[in-house]
Amino acid sequence: QSALTQPRSVSGSPGQSVTISCTGTSSDVGGYNYVSWYQQHPGKAPKLMIYDVSKRPSGVPDRFSGSKSGNTASLTISGLQAEDEADYYCCAYAGGYTHWVFGGGTKLTVL
Amino acid sequence: EVQLVESGGGLVQPGGSLRLSCAASGFTFSSYWMTWVRQAPGKGLEWVASIKQDGTKTNYVDSMKGRLTISRDNAKNSLYLQVNSLRAEDTAVYYCVTNIDWNFRDWGQGTLVTVSS
Repeated sequence: QSALTQPRSVSGSPGQSVTISCTGTSSDVGGYNYVSWYQQHPGKAPKLMIYDVSKRPSGVPDRFSGSKSGNTASLTISGLQAEDEADYYCCAYAGGYTHWVFGGGTKLTVL
Repeated sequence: EVQLVESGGGLVQPGGSLRLSCAASGFTFSSYWMTWVRQAPGKGLEWVASIKQDGTKTNYVDSMKGRLTISRDNAKNSLYLQVNSLRAEDTAVYYCVTNIDWNFRDWGQGTLVTVSS
């Protein structure tokens, strides 16, 4: 069982918006503003999409946005495109001895 | 362009050891914390270990503590992970990753470790 809880799957049609949630505790998601999101296509390495809850690395489209409320973080993808179909993982810094925890991953299907 | 190239994976018998390597280029290696993250086949990501820029501080996942040693050679722009007493559940792709503060920025392509008799 993963430390952070994500829905196993979400789906949306091209052009629509989808939101993926990531629920943790006050020791990880709620305790620090160090939540990140990673996109992984089959057979490829993960790619950083969002860091520090809501910051986008250069090169990541502004269709991707992140937010946090309490112990739950969210990744929203607007204007869905076929190439957004992938697995998405959230990650939170948890300090102490745990350090970093990941979610179990969410498979995004673009219908 | 940042490049991280892992090597050292392969088939190993239960109880065996492996030393994974990561050759870094395209950035100032000595300025960044570095991390290993693993992914078992068909499963999610798991943080394994991290090391400070100068190698003076290391952190390990509790489930593997005592079996891991992360190290680096800044003169060679290289990161290493020694894994001992390997178990079937250690079978995974091991990724070399750069840290951007408390997030994971750049990822290598990974090296597959298979533990089986």
